[in-house]
Amino acid sequence: EVQLVQSGAEVKKPGESLKISCKGSGYNFANYWIGWVRQMPGKGLEWMGIIYPGDSDTRYSPSFQGQVTISADKSISTAYLQWSSLKASDTAMYYCARHSTVGTTHNWFDPWGQGTLVTVSS
Amino acid sequence: EIVLTQSPGTLSLSPGERATLSCRASQSVRSSYLAWYQQTPGQAPRLLIYGASSRATGIPDRFSGSGSGTDFSLTISRLEPEDFAVYYCQQYGSSPFTFGPGTKVDIK
Repeated sequence: EVQLVQSGAEVKKPGESLKISCKGSGYNFANYWIGWVRQMPGKGLEWMGIIYPGDSDTRYSPSFQGQVTISADKSISTAYLQWSSLKASDTAMYYCARHSTVGTTHNWFDPWGQGTLVTVSS
Repeated sequence: EIVLTQSPGTLSLSPGERATLSCRASQSVRSSYLAWYQQTPGQAPRLLIYGASSRATGIPDRFSGSGSGTDFSLTISRLEPEDFAVYYCQQYGSSPFTFGPGTKVDIK
């Protein structure tokens, strides 16, 4: 069974750094694009970016470029989303999701991780 | 960047009724690279439709998608209690692969 399991909820203060993770299993992690989606409280889904773990090719939404870093370690089948200096406006649920078709850049997300809630508050 | 607009924002219907949701793109979505997702409260989104009209594995045939170019729709032929949720469209033809703002289908 293909599964994405995300790290647990985080509570941080403004200015702190954070790295959340998404571990894939049941498939060849290196060969599928994997992405991150933000959902702010009570709001819709926002596409943040994707990474191809095989060669770390990464595409960002202009809205998130420079605000976050997407990375992956194919040796442990894990993708990451990190912030160097959190803001209160980063408070949101963050989902990882995998492209459905092997090696395909233009693709839909399926499956999805369970989400990681990040709360940034002083 | 392709901007997706979904209408209506909220659709109030009764179980058994037909739901038609619209997704309009600011420019043509190449190769009908459009997906629909369903999200229920507290859950991750679930893929319903890809390629504008192909149902994902395990999705009941009461869900159907259609459209091309800039105009797409999702139809639920007869609403079941579990279908009351928020529905999002996403285009994956042009990076960034944007989502629409969602349509909430709630019980009338």
